[in-house]
Amino acid sequence: DVKVTQSSRYLVKRTGEKVFLECVQDMDHENMFWYRQDPGLGLRLIYFSYDVKMKEKGDIPEGYSVSREKKERFSLILESASTNQTSMYLCASSFGRTSGGTDTQYFGPGTRLTVL
Amino acid sequence: AQSVTQLDSQVPVFEEAPVELRCNYSSSVSVYLFWYVQYPNQGLQLLLKYLSGSTLVKGINGFEAEFNKSQTSFHLRKPSVHISDTAEYFCAVSSGTYKYIFGTGTRLKVLA
Repeated sequence: DVKVTQSSRYLVKRTGEKVFLECVQDMDHENMFWYRQDPGLGLRLIYFSYDVKMKEKGDIPEGYSVSREKKERFSLILESASTNQTSMYLCASSFGRTSGGTDTQYFGPGTRLTVL
Repeated sequence: AQSVTQLDSQVPVFEEAPVELRCNYSSSVSVYLFWYVQYPNQGLQLLLKYLSGSTLVKGINGFEAEFNKSQTSFHLRKPSVHISDTAEYFCAVSSGTYKYIFGTGTRLKVLA
């Protein structure tokens, strides 16, 4: 079974803090994703990575950055957390960039971040 | 541009009754379609997906969905629901790239 783990289930931070959310997958997947989930808005893509050190912006990248130094690990960074970044953050991975959009995405359990 | 619409934000249904969760999409190109389920305090997991071939797709836990190209729909059905089916269900579409567009979700509440 594919396993995607996220470093924290719940996180509380203060406005202005730098926040790191970590995601690890154990299936040698090429693609990794960070989504934000808000009630009534569904899932919105923040960033996508298709290889080590490669990344592409999603629909809502403002205020976020990412890092992928190793294939299995994808980090989301909030440079200066703000209250409007309070949300559920979901990491996902899928097999490969060349799969043409047919891949199943495998999700982690999510990190519920509260910024005070 | 693609979009996905899940018109029903919440669907209450009694246990052992049938249920249909609606999903409509818009796209100018061929698409692949997915249904994911999110149980409370968990991430999403795949229920089923349509890539090509038969328009009736069977998934896990007794769910099935039918791809209707003329109506641009991919509705999810189950003939008899259980309490354990209480969850949020997301429809998603892909047009052949890494990017998936997710709907806003439908909360299924199964009542005893």
